[in-house]
Amino acid sequence: EAGVTQFPSHSVIEKGQTVTLRCDPISGHDNLYWYRRVMGKEIKFLLHFVKESKQDESGMPNNRFLAERTGGTYSTLKVQPAELEDSGVYFCASSQDSFSGTDPRQFFGPGTRLTVL
Amino acid sequence: AQSVAQPEDQVNVAEGNPLTVKCTYSVSGNPYLFWYVQYPNRGLQFLLKYITGDNLVKGSYGFEAEFNKSQTSFHLKKPSALVSDSALYFCAVTSNYQLIWGAGTKLIIKP
Repeated sequence: EAGVTQFPSHSVIEKGQTVTLRCDPISGHDNLYWYRRVMGKEIKFLLHFVKESKQDESGMPNNRFLAERTGGTYSTLKVQPAELEDSGVYFCASSQDSFSGTDPRQFFGPGTRLTVL
Repeated sequence: AQSVAQPEDQVNVAEGNPLTVKCTYSVSGNPYLFWYVQYPNRGLQFLLKYITGDNLVKGSYGFEAEFNKSQTSFHLKKPSALVSDSALYFCAVTSNYQLIWGAGTKLIIKP
């Protein structure tokens, strides 16, 4: 069974540019999550999709961040325009159940390391 | 504010010795508790979880964790450390259907 994949693994862009991160969840997982870890700090929740719907986007930092999950399969996270403080590692995770289900384990991708210069 | 604390940035243990990675939390209600591990250049991997029941939960790779409600702690333990256990360990706790994460503890096992 293929795991969660993320593309690209690394991205270096200049302030003001646009970057789009992609996440392919495990097949059949309705729940998809985005997280961010800034250097050495705790992982922060960004948002949660259930199929194609945004269940919770309370963690999105501001309106420069836009997440989509068209068709309820893969998801993209776009940052436009990027700022220096957006640098960090962006993780995607998927799960079969949410926390109200019987198997709330989240399976993570390897992350995308974003560097904004 | 809801928070998870991993008080040690790094833990050093000699191979074969027992190890403990500490986690305490401050969230309302009865949260679910998780430990994840991140090996270099890899994604986070699930180790174990506590939802309800026995306070001692066993997980992957010989790890276990003890839930202590009165101390709001969920420390990760292993009786005998292996060099291959060297990695970054994260504690996470549910709050309002989100995962609240600790900052991570780097575990170094020396031969």
